Amino acid sequence: EVQLLDSGGGMVQPGGSLRLSCAASGFTFGNFAMVWVRQAPGKGLEWVSSIFGGGNGPKYADSVKGRFTISRDNSKDTLYLQMSSLRVEDTAVYYCAKGEGAEMTNYHFDYWGQGTVVTVSS
Amino acid sequence: QSVLTQPPSVSGAPGQRVTMSCTGSSSNIGAGNNVHWYQQVPGTAPKVLIYDDTNRPSGVPDRFSGSKSGTSASLAITEVQAEDEADYYCQSYDNRLSGWVFGGGTKLTVL
Repeated sequence: EVQLLDSGGGMVQPGGSLRLSCAASGFTFGNFAMVWVRQAPGKGLEWVSSIFGGGNGPKYADSVKGRFTISRDNSKDTLYLQMSSLRVEDTAVYYCAKGEGAEMTNYHFDYWGQGTVVTVSS
Repeated sequence: QSVLTQPPSVSGAPGQRVTMSCTGSSSNIGAGNNVHWYQQVPGTAPKVLIYDDTNRPSGVPDRFSGSKSGTSASLAITEVQAEDEADYYCQSYDNRLSGWVFGGGTKLTVL
C-alpha cells in the first residue's frame, strides 16, 4: 500500500525557515517524480515544486523560486522541502504527492500525503 | 487568479446529472496537455478522480466521467449522491509557465 507521511510543519515568524519532510513507502520511491502542492486557508491548490526520481530537474513555482529548495534522499525514501525567507502568504497546508504519467507534461498526482500545516506569522 | 478557470459552485439534487467546466488556454489544455480531476472533501487530502482526460482510477465509480475539447475540459457526475459533495479541481501542465497548474476549484452542493 502506497503511503506518504508529511511532517515538519509549524509556526514560524516572517523571514524564518522550515524544512518539511515526506516519508514514502509501498512503492519504488526512486522511480517516480515527487511534488509539493500547497493550499492556503480557504483557497485552492497550488503546485509549489517538483523533482524527478533521480533527484534531477527541480522545478519551482515563481512564487517560491529562490526561497524554497526541493530535494530527496532515495536511500531513505524521503522527500524534502527547505523553505527560507518565509512570508505570511506562504501560510498553507503543504502536501507531498507522487507523480504518475508517461511524460512530465502529462503527470498527474496519484497519491497524496495527509498534509502538514505551515503558519507564518509574527 | 488561477490559470485554469472553474465555476466557483455547482449544485444538483440527488440522482441528477451535474457537470463542471475547466477552461484553459493554448499553453496548457489547448496545447494537448492532459487534464486531470481531483475530489477534495474539506479537511482531507485531494484524491484523483479522472486522469489523462478520461480515465478513472480503480475504485472510482463510473458515475464520474471526463471529457476535453479544444482549450476546455469537463467533469460529469451522473446520478449525483450526497457523498459526492466536495470540492473538485482540474489540473494540467502549462508550457509557458513550465509547471503544473490547477483550477480554482468548484464546490459541489447536493441539494
